[in-house]
Amino acid sequence: DTAVSQTPKYLVTQMGNDKSIKCEQNLGHDTMYWYKQDSKKFLKIMFSYNNKELIINETVPNRFSPKSPDKAHLNLHINSLELGDSAVYFCASSPYPGNTIYFGEGSWLTVV
Amino acid sequence: GENVGLHLPTLSVQEGDNSIINCAYSNSASDYFIWYKQESGKGPQFIIDIRSNMDKRQGQRVTVLLNKTVKHLSLQIAATQPGDSAVYFCAETGGSQGNLIFGKGTKLSVKP
Repeated sequence: DTAVSQTPKYLVTQMGNDKSIKCEQNLGHDTMYWYKQDSKKFLKIMFSYNNKELIINETVPNRFSPKSPDKAHLNLHINSLELGDSAVYFCASSPYPGNTIYFGEGSWLTVV
Repeated sequence: GENVGLHLPTLSVQEGDNSIINCAYSNSASDYFIWYKQESGKGPQFIIDIRSNMDKRQGQRVTVLLNKTVKHLSLQIAATQPGDSAVYFCAETGGSQGNLIFGKGTKLSVKP
């Protein structure tokens, strides 16, 4: 019974393509997040939604567009992929903002 | 800035020894701190947390110490085992909207 699940786990795609990563949590949490982890393992928040409302939007290129159809889902769509987008993207959730965050297993994106 | 840093990027210990992983934080207003463990190929997992009204909290084989005077956080792992090998992150509620900000991570390697 996976708490935070994201798909796909691995994604290899060419520059310029558009791709989406889906995320679902069954914890009943109000808040969901997308984090990006670079090659040096640094975790940086990208977006946060609370009850489907965007509350955090860090300095992320507008090629990245999150969508939250309901509070259990937060998808990430990326347009015109660039080499520098290669990273691991983690979806996460918490009961409310600032509380313990529970992470998914990550989506490894490689742009070639 | 509101960055959480680490003194030691890598730590190698002998199996059975105690490990201490350190973290310095810069936001004196942060009131909630968490340690996460990230094994290879997986998402970060919650280990233990502590609120700013406490100095010490113990879990199973792990202890977190908080020194607010010098803004320092540490994770102690007793009788370190090979399964403890992972990257460890500290996080603080130092960001906007109270979101968690993660430190750079310390890689712990346990030698059998």
